[in-house]
Amino acid sequence: ETGVTQTPRHLVMGMTNKKSLKCEQHLGHNAMYWYKQSAKKPLELMFVYNFKEQTENNSVPSRFSPECPNSSHLFLHLHTLQPEDSALYLCASSQDGSGGAGETQYFGPGTRLLVL
Amino acid sequence: QQQVKQSPQSLIVQKGGIPIINCAYENTAFDYFPWYQQFPGKGPALLIAIRPDVSEKKEGRFTISFNKSAKQFSLHIMDSQPGDSATYFCAASKGGATNKLIFGTGTLLAVQP
Repeated sequence: ETGVTQTPRHLVMGMTNKKSLKCEQHLGHNAMYWYKQSAKKPLELMFVYNFKEQTENNSVPSRFSPECPNSSHLFLHLHTLQPEDSALYLCASSQDGSGGAGETQYFGPGTRLLVL
Repeated sequence: QQQVKQSPQSLIVQKGGIPIINCAYENTAFDYFPWYQQFPGKGPALLIAIRPDVSEKKEGRFTISFNKSAKQFSLHIMDSQPGDSATYFCAASKGGATNKLIFGTGTLLAVQP
């Protein structure tokens, strides 16, 4: 295991539902990331948090709302999603988000989301 | 606009073969090129990475070849094993940043016994 856990592993929701994805890292890292992985498309970086502060929002629609209460936990709140939002949502963490040489991102197993 | 183009989309080789996965990029500001390996039900994991000051890097059976003038880099897996069957992603970033990665679309590799 990478030290990054995600729950739930699978989620089915309707377009009017509100749900949240949870990520927890046990590596003592200070940077956390949300990615979207769709079939036959590149991984898309969605959000970056360094020391609990959001440092990157890659033009993500407002129906996705991240929350980082501390350096170990990251949430992605979902509301009024569209079927095209169905994908694997991956969380990752790294030491301090500086992007320095040798800094590696460790990924969780992802949450498979299906929007009906 | 896809900034990192990866091919092939899928690849089947026999055990002991040498699969080669290719990536091409346009942005000459890219200066960090990692490869990630992803098994079913798992997140991607860093496999090997290279910076443009060298043309080749080896780690165990995995080798990255880098051609700066052609703006291409490739992953070679020597003596491939069925356990290498996975999806492989190339990526690139600029400014030496290892945390703002632009990923390729992935290559599904199957190594047959």
